[in-house]
Amino acid sequence: EDQVTQSPEALRLQEGESSSLNCSYTVSGLRGLFWYRQDPGKGPEFLFTLYSAGEEKEKERLKATLTKKESFLHITAPKPEDSATYLCAVQTGNQFYFGTGTSLTVIP
Amino acid sequence: KAGVTQTPRYLIKTRGQQVTLSCSPISGHRSVSWYQQTPGQGLQFLFEYFSETQRNKGNFPGRFSGRQFSNSRSEMNVSTLELGDSALYLCASSLTTNWEQYFGPGTRLTVT
Repeated sequence: EDQVTQSPEALRLQEGESSSLNCSYTVSGLRGLFWYRQDPGKGPEFLFTLYSAGEEKEKERLKATLTKKESFLHITAPKPEDSATYLCAVQTGNQFYFGTGTSLTVIP
Repeated sequence: KAGVTQTPRYLIKTRGQQVTLSCSPISGHRSVSWYQQTPGQGLQFLFEYFSETQRNKGNFPGRFSGRQFSNSRSEMNVSTLELGDSALYLCASSLTTNWEQYFGPGTRLTVT
């Protein structure tokens, strides 16, 4: 069964304290892995797409990496405005499967 | 470039009623997908439309249906509403199938 698991469920960081969020998946035929950010009351905002193991992408304080079984979203020196829920999704066949997200709180 | 828009933003319905939600994709995007988001289940895929045809369907009962018009706008219909249908319904558009998706703000449906 195709499955996407994100950990931790919640993470509290001090401003400037770097950390990583994990997305592990068991799917057959991965076509792509996507990271989104979701603020309360809003739809998910697209961040990155990764297609193959070893691929990395960066945007400001965020860096996403992909291995054969998991992806990491590294947050370097986070700021309070980085507080949000981060979702990962995998595409297999013609469907997207989402994890339940990691709720990140960055404390000033 | 305007983003994905969804109407209405909030809706309160009574059990047994039906509801229609609307989604206008980003200009030029031909694929529209619908998702249900609840605190316990996260985002669950409902269905995807491309060029007015349903391409993919998730594991939801037949009470959930949709359609897409020639201008790529899409509607989703839920008949015989149940309390468990209360959720945030999200629409996402993409250039084509199997491409990165851009989400709208969602419609918050409450069934009483």
